[in-house]
Parts: sequence; structure tokens; C-alpha cells
Amino acid sequence: GQQVMQIPQYQHVQEGEDFTTYCNSSTTLSNIQWYKQRPGGHPVFLIQLVKSGEVKKQKRLTFQFGEAKKNSSLHITATQTTDVGTYFCAPRRDYKLSFGAGTTVTVRA
Amino acid sequence: DTEVTQTPKHLVMGMTNKKSLKCEQHMGHRAMYWYKQKAKKPPELMFVYSYEKLSINESVPSRFSPECPNSSLLNLHLHALQPEDSALYLCASSQEGQGARMAQYFGPGTRLTVL
Repeated sequence: GQQVMQIPQYQHVQEGEDFTTYCNSSTTLSNIQWYKQRPGGHPVFLIQLVKSGEVKKQKRLTFQFGEAKKNSSLHITATQTTDVGTYFCAPRRDYKLSFGAGTTVTVRA
Repeated sequence: DTEVTQTPKHLVMGMTNKKSLKCEQHMGHRAMYWYKQKAKKPPELMFVYSYEKLSINESVPSRFSPECPNSSLLNLHLHALQPEDSALYLCASSQEGQGARMAQYFGPGTRLTVL
């Protein structure tokens, strides 16, 4: 499958600060999806990136797909307690999503 | 309606029991999925149905038997499970077709404990 590595595994953030989580692949990806899973919850689709160098914003979240389509990032500005959870990147091939291990985010108020 | 529902929310079963997990969606999606998720791990794909036909079986043991009675329903029949099968079982659905976004919509899951 299409394996991706997510870093960091854990991110402890002070409320109001910014942070970035990264998703890296050794092979070129045709697309990448991002999901968020709150503690005790289920994965929720956030975005899909397809084009080289693509940047998409959702309020305080900025998603980027690398020029070589081998990496992606999620940047969150002014972190809030509602941002707590695990963020997974997942390249998709046909029906298969190959989830990364995830970045688990905790927020200090 | 963008909701995928799953029943039951929790299930405790012995290794000799037979039980079923149920999943339903009314978004008109023609692809449906079963995932298994262990604590602090990402979801692992088990099965994919496309237009009510089994499309992918990720080498899942035969003690797990999926069924898709119609385009809105997906079942997972469980028999002779092992304690290591205890996990959160997630159902998901998505649109079909190359042009579709194919975002997967997940249900809340069934928390299964095998004693």
C-alpha cells in the first residue's frame, strides 16, 4: 500500500499558539485526504488535496500538498480546545485509504 | 442526511457466540466499508462493498463475514471470535466513481469486547 509517515506523533500545544503536523511519503501520491478523530469519536473527513502545490484553507486550518506530491501538511493557527484529537493523513487509491499513524493533539488552556 | 448509523454502540460477547453488527446510510452512497480500529492506532480496512458486491477483502479471517443486503445496509456477522478481536469496528460509506471526491463518511462505531 501507499505508506505515509506522520510527524510528530504527539503535539502538546498552548491554547492560542500555532502548530503544524506533517505527512511524508517516499513515493509520489495522486491525492491525500485528512481526517480528524476526536477522543472517543470517529474519523471525520476534513479535506482532499489532488494538485501539486495545492493549498486549501478551512477557517484556522491550512492544508498543503507538496510540489512533488510526496508530502502534505496541516497548519492550525490560534489553537483552541476544540482542536483536540488525532489528525490522520491518508492517501487514497481506488477505494483504499492508507491511514498514517496520526498526530494526537492536546491543548493546554 | 450525512449520517452513517451503527448498532449496537457496545457489544460484549463470548468466544462461542454469534453476533452481528449493523450499519446504515441514506446518502445514496454505493461504496461501503468495514474498518477495525485498535486503541491509539489508525483504522484498518477490512472489507469494501461496491454496488452491493464485495470488492475488497483485506485477508480478514473467516470468523468475520460481511453482508450487504441492499444499497443502504451493511452487516458484519461475527462467529467464534478471539479476545484479540476486541476493537472499535467502524462502518463508512462514500460516493462511487473516479470523478467523485470519495470522502469517506464514518459511523460512530461499535465497541466490541470479546471475553
